[in-house]
Amino acid sequence: QSALTQPPSASGSPGQSVTISCTGTSSDVGDYKYVSWYQLHPGKAPRLMIYEVSKRPSGVPDRFSGSKSGNTASLTVSGLQAEDEADYYCSSYPGIAWVFGGGTKLTVL
Amino acid sequence: QVQLQESGPGLVKPSETLSLMCTVSGGSIISYYWSWIRQPPGKGLEWIGYIHYSGTTKYSPSLKSRVTMSVGTSRTQFSLHLTSTTAADTAVYYCARHLIGSEAFDVWGLGTMVTVSS
Repeated sequence: QSALTQPPSASGSPGQSVTISCTGTSSDVGDYKYVSWYQLHPGKAPRLMIYEVSKRPSGVPDRFSGSKSGNTASLTVSGLQAEDEADYYCSSYPGIAWVFGGGTKLTVL
Repeated sequence: QVQLQESGPGLVKPSETLSLMCTVSGGSIISYYWSWIRQPPGKGLEWIGYIHYSGTTKYSPSLKSRVTMSVGTSRTQFSLHLTSTTAADTAVYYCARHLIGSEAFDVWGLGTMVTVSS
């Protein structure tokens, strides 16, 4: 059982916006700024999309944004593109060990 | 551009030790922490532990009793050893660079599938 809870699936049409949630507790997501998001494409290396809740690494399109409210972090993908179809995982570091969500499969319709 | 490549046996017998190597190219392992992360089939990601080139390590509490990590003498490789394996250790194993201060993993390898089976 994953420590963080994500919806198993999400979908949207090209051009639309989709938000993926990541729910933890006050002991991890709620109390720390260390929330990150990863994109997993089959056959490719996982890619860091968001770190420290809302920061984007160089090279990540600004269509990807992150936020947090209470114990829930969110990843929003605006202007969906076919290439965004992938699995997305959230992660939190509450100081002892990293914990991950169960992953959300994003489908672009 | 830093690239990571995992290598090791794809099949391990139950109770034996799983050993993997991660080779770093395009950069040095100095000044960074390096993690191992795994993903069992159909499940989420699980952090296993990290190592610094100085030898400093930190392991997941749930795996601590069975995990050892080390840095190669060439300082371009680091390794993972997981003892007393069971079918539950079957997973894709990734090595990743740890972004210090941001507690995120900014560079990953492609991953290598390891099956624990007799």
